[in-house]
Parts: sequence; structure tokens; C-alpha cells
Amino acid sequence: QQQVKQSPQSLIVQKGGISIINCAYENTAFDYFPWYQQFPGKGPALLIAIRPDVSEKKEGRFTISFNKSAKQFSLHIMDSQPGDSATYFCAASMGTGNTGKLIFGQGTTLQVKP
Amino acid sequence: SQTIHQWPATLVQPVGSPLSLECTVEGTSNPNLYWYRQAAGRGLQLLFYSVGIGQISSEVPQNLSASRPQDRQFILSSKKLLLSDSGFYLCARRGYNEQFFGPGTRLTVL
Repeated sequence: QQQVKQSPQSLIVQKGGISIINCAYENTAFDYFPWYQQFPGKGPALLIAIRPDVSEKKEGRFTISFNKSAKQFSLHIMDSQPGDSATYFCAASMGTGNTGKLIFGQGTTLQVKP
Repeated sequence: SQTIHQWPATLVQPVGSPLSLECTVEGTSNPNLYWYRQAAGRGLQLLFYSVGIGQISSEVPQNLSASRPQDRQFILSSKKLLLSDSGFYLCARRGYNEQFFGPGTRLTVL
């Protein structure tokens, strides 16, 4: 029940296309859902995050869509660029918890072809 | 600004040798701190977290231990390294709900 399942494991998209990464969770107590971007040899960096009281959040070319009833959320990268090639992790947490632990998905390696 | 430092950046150690990785945090007091390991091409495995000085919670039984001797210092240790300890070790601190990661330490055990 603590798992976050992420798909696909890898993704190849042409430059200018839309990249879509999906995550699903079981624990309805989760109330914070961040996405992280990680380049090779670097630590993950927070990209965008959403709470379950909104269905969509957009920051530039990155959009999170959230479906509370289906317990699913997804990351959409519009107009994908070669510089977006990285590994993306979704995560979930009970944001008000004392520990602040994040439950991470397994990661998606995105390659954007020029 | 709130910065996370990890030392060393890379490390090559023989099997059976000891290990000490250091994480220090600037610009915040009494942060929740976390150690993660990332095997090659794999996801993030939470190893330990700490909510304060001397308070360590272990997530996965293993060959490693952690300590928090000071408010802004988090140390990952091992008495005898195994081949399976190789990986990319990441320290993170809690923000409000999110976590911020340090630059990581690449450990290779030979």
C-alpha cells in the first residue's frame, strides 16, 4: 500500500513531441506528489509538485495531471527537447507527517531525439 | 541559501574496508535528513533518516549505519564494505513537504 508504481521504464520521444509518464498509488493518505528530474551523475532536482485538491498544475512546458478517484497522476512534457533527456521520478508523501518520507516510483529514463 | 554538501564526490574502496560518507547542510537548522542509495540504472532506496541529533531510523537492514553527531551533519558508515555496497549515495534534507538532494557520492567497491 506504500508503493508508487511508475511507467514506462523508458521512453523515446522525438524533439517537439509530448512525453508522458504515469504513476499510480494505493495509499489515500498521500497528500503531496512531487516529480524529480535527474541527470546522469547528479542528484535529483525537484521539478514540479501537486496536491490532491487540484487536478492539474502547469509550470512552463511541464504539467502534472492528477486523478484522485483513479489514484493516478502523470507528468506531461510539452515540446520535448533533447535537454529534457534525463531520468524522472514521481513520488508521494503524507506531507504533514513528522518524518517527511517520500515514496518514490521506479523511475523513467527519457530520451528526446533531435 | 540552503545548500547540501557531500564528501567525497567519488570513492573507490576495496571489499572489507571501512566507509565514512559525510553530508553537511547549510542555511537551515534542525532539518530532517535522509540517506539514499541508487544502484546503477535503478531507483532511489531510502536507507536512513534522521529528525534530529542522535535520532536515526533505519529503513533497510544492511551493512551500513548512520549517525547524526551535529544538527547539520549526517554521516553514513560501514565497518566492512561489500561489493553490493557500490552505488550512488545521496543525502537529502526536508523542505516543507519536498526533499532537496545533495550532489551525491559515487562509491565503487572492488
